[in-house]
Amino acid sequence: ESVLTQSPGTLSLSPGERATLSCRASEYFSSSYLAWYQQKPGQAPRLLIYGASNRATGIPDRFSGSGSGPDFTLTISRLEPEDFAVYYCHQYGSSPYTFGQGTKLEIK
Amino acid sequence: QVQLQESGPGLVKPSQTLSLTCTVSGGSISSGGHYWSWVRQVPGKGLEWIGVFYYSENTSYNPSLKSRVTMFVDRSRNQFSLRLTSVTAADTAVYFCARVTVIPKDYYYYMDVWGKGTTVTVS
Repeated sequence: ESVLTQSPGTLSLSPGERATLSCRASEYFSSSYLAWYQQKPGQAPRLLIYGASNRATGIPDRFSGSGSGPDFTLTISRLEPEDFAVYYCHQYGSSPYTFGQGTKLEIK
Repeated sequence: QVQLQESGPGLVKPSQTLSLTCTVSGGSISSGGHYWSWVRQVPGKGLEWIGVFYYSENTSYNPSLKSRVTMFVDRSRNQFSLRLTSVTAADTAVYFCARVTVIPKDYYYYMDVWGKGTTVTVS
């Protein structure tokens, strides 16, 4: 099982700042199988990035993904108020298709 | 556009079977390029992948749940379902169904459409 470890657990930043979220995999898999999701309270997750670096339809270009196994990064270039949420990485490279434990991005 | 809607009982007794259905609207469950999946989230916790239903009626389940999980599809109703047996309080969670988009030539697999989730309490 590929365990995904996200860091930090909580990130406190202000609107306009840059956010860098990390996801490290315990086992190698192709970057094509790495996705990032955003989840707000009471809502379903929303796909942001697939294939480690491809923005999903309708996702603003302030969101970008990078990296290759085992280290992946989600960057939000200039935080908007609506970006404060929990972010999860997810791998579809080897079953079980695990999620990271999440990074909570909170307003400082 | 495609939408997913979970349905099922919100309360299940311990040791009984949890049964949920996901109805697909705005598209066919039999259309190529997609698998169908379930994910759950214990209140205040992270996301847990439960399993996926592939084209050819094949399935893959999380080993932690494998002995208790069954997923199946009703193509005539454009629905897919989850059955979890012998539930305990640890199965109390919000259950999401999701569409997995597959682009084999690029090895892309991602959950791009999600239901709103349904809360199931085991008590």
